[in-house]
Amino acid sequence: DTAVSQTPKYLVTQMGNDKSIKCEQNLGHDTMYWYKQDSKKFLKIMFSYNNKELIINETVPNRFSPKSPDKAHLNLHINSLELGDSAVYFCASSQGSGIGYNEQFFGPGTRLTVL
Amino acid sequence: AQSVTQLGSHVSVSEGALVLLRCNYSSSVPPYLFWYVQYPNQGLQLLLKYTSAATLVKGINGFEAEFKKSETSFHLTKPSAHMSDAAEYFCAVTGGGSNYKLTFGKGTLLTVNP
Repeated sequence: DTAVSQTPKYLVTQMGNDKSIKCEQNLGHDTMYWYKQDSKKFLKIMFSYNNKELIINETVPNRFSPKSPDKAHLNLHINSLELGDSAVYFCASSQGSGIGYNEQFFGPGTRLTVL
Repeated sequence: AQSVTQLGSHVSVSEGALVLLRCNYSSSVPPYLFWYVQYPNQGLQLLLKYTSAATLVKGINGFEAEFKKSETSFHLTKPSAHMSDAAEYFCAVTGGGSNYKLTFGKGTLLTVNP
C-alpha cells in the first residue's frame, strides 16, 4: 500500500491556467506538508497543516492555495500559473503535532511543467 | 532560526570505497537532524535521524552519522559504497520542541564508479 500518494505524477500546462495537485496519506498522521523542489534540487517548505489547520505558511505567492478537507488529504491549487512555477512538488506527512523529531514521509512528487 | 550547509554538491567514489557526505548545521536551540536520500525520479526516504539520544546514529543501508555539537556537524558515512547508493542526499534540521519546520541543505549528489 502506498503511504503518501500524489496525483498527477506529471502535469504539463500553459501559462495562465489553474491546476490542482492532490495528496493523500494512509498512515494516520496528523500533519501534512507541501514542498517545492526547484531545478537545482533545492527543497523548500511551502505549507503545513495539522488536523486541517494551517500551521506553516511560508512566503509563497497567494496564487498557491492549500486545502485540507480532512487530515488524510492536503491538496494544492495553483492559479494563473507562471513559468517559474515549474518544479517538482512533494507532499509529506508526519505523526503528531508540533513534534520536530518525527520523520516526515514523502510522496513520489508531481513534476509540474509550465509552458 | 536554523540552517544546514552541505559541503560539496557532488561527491564521486569508487565502488567499495568509503562514503563521506558532510553536513554542518546552525540552530539557536538543540537540533534534531536528519539525512534523507532521493533516488532518481522518486520522493525522499529517511536514512537516519538524530534526536538527542546517542550521538552515533545508525541508519538503513549501512549508513551512519555522528552528531558533533562542538563542530556543529552531522556527517554521513558508509564504509563501503555500492552502486545502488548513487542518489541525491539531503541533510535537514528542525528545532526542538514545537519547531517542526524541516529546513533542508542543498543536497549532495553521490555517484559511484565501478
